[in-house]
Amino acid sequence: QVQLVQSGAEVKKPGASVKVSCKASGYTFTSFAIHWVRQAPGQRLEWMGWVNGGNGNTKYSQKFQGRVTLTRDTSAGTAYMELSSLRSEDTAVYYCATGAYGYYFDDWGQGSLVTVSS
Amino acid sequence: EIVLTQSPGTLSLSPGERATLSCRASQSVSSSHLAWYQQKPGQAPRLLIYGASNRATGIPDRFTGRGSGTDFSLTISRLEPEDCAVYYCQQYGGSPLWTFGQGTKVEIK
Repeated sequence: QVQLVQSGAEVKKPGASVKVSCKASGYTFTSFAIHWVRQAPGQRLEWMGWVNGGNGNTKYSQKFQGRVTLTRDTSAGTAYMELSSLRSEDTAVYYCATGAYGYYFDDWGQGSLVTVSS
Repeated sequence: EIVLTQSPGTLSLSPGERATLSCRASQSVSSSHLAWYQQKPGQAPRLLIYGASNRATGIPDRFTGRGSGTDFSLTISRLEPEDCAVYYCQQYGGSPLWTFGQGTKVEIK
């Protein structure tokens, strides 16, 4: 079965960057895109972008364009989300997710809490 | 941006009762592109319904999705204690491509 395992919690200072990993197993990594979705405290889920597991192409939500970079390492079956210029409003749980058809998300990672605090 | 508005904010019902959750879109959404998720505290969202009315693998038949255009609903026909969770609708299309509703919390009395 599909499994997405994310890296652990991070605490960062404002202005710093954070990089979260998502290791995929149970399917052919290059077949599907990996999406990143975040959930700030008390806020709705928010889609950030996706990276194509095969060719590495990316698409970002306009809100995060210029601050987020999505990459993948096919040899490791792992996707990465790097968010720069962190501010307190970026404190959230960050999820990776995937799905065969792209319109919705069948499988999710367990989430990675990123706390931005001085 | 296609904004999804869910109602009510919180639903408090007894076991065995029926729960009806609403999701209204600011613009028409293709039924193929509407999904529902269940999220329990401390857990990732779990896909319940895709294509507005198709149950995901392993989802019990007491969960039913309906709707088209701008009005969609999720019905839980006979509430069980394990259904206590927040439920989100999600659509694909527009910009950003994927957006979520703000969620409906289902409480079991």
